[in-house]
Amino acid sequence: QKEVEQDPGPLSVPEGAIVSLNCTYSNSAFQYFMWYRQYSRKGPELLMYTYSSGNKEDGRFTAQVDKSSKYISLFIRDSQPSDSATYLCAMSARNNDMRFGAGTRLTVKP
Amino acid sequence: ETGVTQSPTHLIKTRGQQVTLRCSSQSGHNTVSWYQQALGQGPQFIFQYYREEENGRGNFPPRFSGLQFPNYSSELNVNALELDDSALYLCASSLPAEPYGYTFGSGTRLTVV
Repeated sequence: QKEVEQDPGPLSVPEGAIVSLNCTYSNSAFQYFMWYRQYSRKGPELLMYTYSSGNKEDGRFTAQVDKSSKYISLFIRDSQPSDSATYLCAMSARNNDMRFGAGTRLTVKP
Repeated sequence: ETGVTQSPTHLIKTRGQQVTLRCSSQSGHNTVSWYQQALGQGPQFIFQYYREEENGRGNFPPRFSGLQFPNYSSELNVNALELDDSALYLCASSLPAEPYGYTFGSGTRLTVV
């Protein structure tokens, strides 16, 4: 079993839809939970981070962490074609060993 | 200058050769991490450098080595290249107090033939 599991998709939604992305993990020591967005031929770009459990909202994006279930989610409201990218979940127990999921490729169709 | 810069952007090497990849950290960031991203996969942690010392290593063999310089720029060296080393190599800089604050470069695409 991988330490971080993420459904690779691909996921295709119409413009304006609510998108739900999620990851599960097995290492209970993880404390920092991040979501990155990666466009083709680019490096990952940090979207949101959460420390420990809870929710965090930033504009159209909401990140949720449930440590009891070892499950994290990213919701995108009113999705736009510019949101089309690969979304990577990442988590770490310390600063120097961030573990990534495989990434979910999202396409938002106009 | 802001952002993380990596060079070269693309590279083709022959199996058995050696390669050096370079990274310039974001201004003010004294920690640099290297990741390998195979096609269709998430990035895998190779190692991290802080103040010119290795500060953690992932599950990669010793033929993957690195350096960090006083100006916080960094190199990733890979010896005895294998076909499976073909991947996108990403450099990320950060501050130790911000474990979420990684800034990634656009990567070096290495192809081993």
